[in-house]
Amino acid sequence: QLHLQESGPGLVRPSQTLSLTCSVSGGSVNSGGFFWSWVRQPTGKGLEWIGRIYTTGTTTYSPSLESRLTISMDTSRNQFSLELSSVTAADTAVYYCARGNKFLSGNYNRNALDVWGRGTVVTVSS
Amino acid sequence: AIQMTQSPSSLSASIGDRVTIACRASQGVRIDLSWYQQKPGRAPKLLIYAASTLHTGVPSKFSGNGSGTDFTLTISNLQPEDFATYYCLQDYKYPWTFGQGTKVDIK
Repeated sequence: QLHLQESGPGLVRPSQTLSLTCSVSGGSVNSGGFFWSWVRQPTGKGLEWIGRIYTTGTTTYSPSLESRLTISMDTSRNQFSLELSSVTAADTAVYYCARGNKFLSGNYNRNALDVWGRGTVVTVSS
Repeated sequence: AIQMTQSPSSLSASIGDRVTIACRASQGVRIDLSWYQQKPGRAPKLLIYAASTLHTGVPSKFSGNGSGTDFTLTISNLQPEDFATYYCLQDYKYPWTFGQGTKVDIK
């Protein structure tokens, strides 16, 4: 059974870089047909899609974060990571990693986030 | 970005009730829409993809409908474990966008 686990510092100083890792067990980040995503949720608020990376290394980012964001993959460690630079208090949130899957529906593949990590709380504060 | 608007933002219901949550997209998203359930302090859980296909292991009390701009999630025979917040997510166009969520609580 696939399991995702986020890790990283819970406290980041303003203007610094937030770095999180998602460790994958029970499966490989290199498995074809999947992609790997990050989603965040400020306390008491809704979900925000951050971005995703395919096994090819191709990335897609939310335009609102793109200038500060890097998502990467380390297949040797079976992990993928998020780096968000120049953070402010607005980046305080629970950060989730998730697997994106393509489900065949009719003649097309349809995407969904089918396996999620438990989330990690990141606070930006001095 | 495509805006997803859910209604209502919250609702109160009783055990055994049937409830329907709506999700409207600011432009057509075909059926590239999924629904998630989130309980307090927990990660979201996939319920439905492709607007109406139940994910493996999800009970048939959940059903989804719609295409284009208007979608619904219906929950039948509400049970205590169904009280949660529900989100729609469009993956038709980047950036993917979630609805703001609908909280279902006990009347």
